Amino acid sequence: QVQLVQSGAEVKKSGSSVKVSCKASGGTFSSYTINWVRQAPGQGLEWMGRIIPFSGIVNYTQKFQGRVTITADESTSTAYMELSSLRSEDTAMYYCARDSGSYPLEYWGQGTLVNVSS
Amino acid sequence: QAGLTQPPSVSKGLRQTATLTCTGNSNNVGNQGAAWLQQHQGHPPKLLSYRNNNRPSGISARLSASRSGNTASLTISGLQPEDEADYYCSAWDSSLSAWVFGGGTKLTVL
Repeated sequence: QVQLVQSGAEVKKSGSSVKVSCKASGGTFSSYTINWVRQAPGQGLEWMGRIIPFSGIVNYTQKFQGRVTITADESTSTAYMELSSLRSEDTAMYYCARDSGSYPLEYWGQGTLVNVSS
Repeated sequence: QAGLTQPPSVSKGLRQTATLTCTGNSNNVGNQGAAWLQQHQGHPPKLLSYRNNNRPSGISARLSASRSGNTASLTISGLQPEDEADYYCSAWDSSLSAWVFGGGTKLTVL
């Protein structure tokens, strides 16, 4: 049974950075892609990027290039998403979502609320 | 970033059939097919299907996904109150090397 547990809610000031963690249990951590998806209040889903832990290969969507860094620590089965130069528009729920061998985006974390205030 | 197009809302009666649509282009839906996700208020999304009607374990057989050209569809038959939720489509875009999402459809079961 794959489970993704994310770190707790964050309150940040504009211009600062936030680092959200996603700890996986069950299954083989290194083999499957972990995606980061965010959802602003009352809005839809937005893909930010992904990492394939065993290779370290990362892809970021153009919108977040230069501001987001996704990493993975195989020793602790934990993925991280760091977003810098925060602004109020970055206030959102941030989710990690892991692919399985059969499906993309099959397993989801519970979400981490990041609130950015000026 | 180009997204997929979904109608904002669909309303259907109990035990009726709802068909949700998702339009992309030849780089995403037309090439890779679409994934469908359901999200209830206050919960993370849940994957319902991927490409042509491939459903993860535990997903109801009342759900059926298909694709015609650049448009993907999700059909939910015998609507139940628990089907009331937001539904998102998503597809890998080969030109962007990114997952793109639709804006979501709010399904109301009357």
